[in-house]
Amino acid sequence: DQQVKQNSPSLSVQEGRISILNCDYTNSMFDYFLWYKKYPAEGPTFLISISSIKDKNEDGRFTVFLNKSAKHLSLHIVPSQPGDSAVYFCAAGGTSYGKLTFGQGTILTVHP
Amino acid sequence: NAGVMQNPRHLVRRRGQEARLRCSPMKGHSHVYWYRQLPEEGLKFMVYLQKENIIDESGMPKERFSAEFPKEGPSILRIQQVVRGDSAAYFCASSPSRLAGTGELFFGEGSRLTVL
Repeated sequence: DQQVKQNSPSLSVQEGRISILNCDYTNSMFDYFLWYKKYPAEGPTFLISISSIKDKNEDGRFTVFLNKSAKHLSLHIVPSQPGDSAVYFCAAGGTSYGKLTFGQGTILTVHP
Repeated sequence: NAGVMQNPRHLVRRRGQEARLRCSPMKGHSHVYWYRQLPEEGLKFMVYLQKENIIDESGMPKERFSAEFPKEGPSILRIQQVVRGDSAAYFCASSPSRLAGTGELFFGEGSRLTVL
């Protein structure tokens, strides 16, 4: 039962262009969503989050959009940089503590 | 300010042996989580602990797995009688508080268990 899905295993983008990573969820009880970035042999690092009462949150080059009716969220990275190349995980939470449900991840490759 | 420290980074065990994974949370953090990542999958929640208490172990397999976070010392994830399916990366995360509404956790670099 995959409650959080990232349907694109990989994404390749040219440096300077926009990267759009997508995530779908099925559980209406989730009330916050996060994106984590992970390099090989390292742990995930927090990138950006959004509460279910909002539809957009922006932090520098990173913007997360939430469409509750479609149960869909996306992460936009503009402009993309080679250092952004990593695995990106979408995660969702519905408790008052850090119990998160993760998607399978999308490998982003940004070409110089 | 040291991050979440996990050891060992790599552990090889034969079927039937025990595996012990340790996690020292960030300084000042008293909330610890364990997540498991199987190959080609996302991270899956296993257990949430505060000092000396297990708060939520709904993601832990019912048999062979146990976790503790004693008053002194690191948190320990113990897997008894390991099987090949236990081969995975085990990540520990910590937070300074219960994290109402944000879920932001600080993750360690993980312990990679290989069962032969």
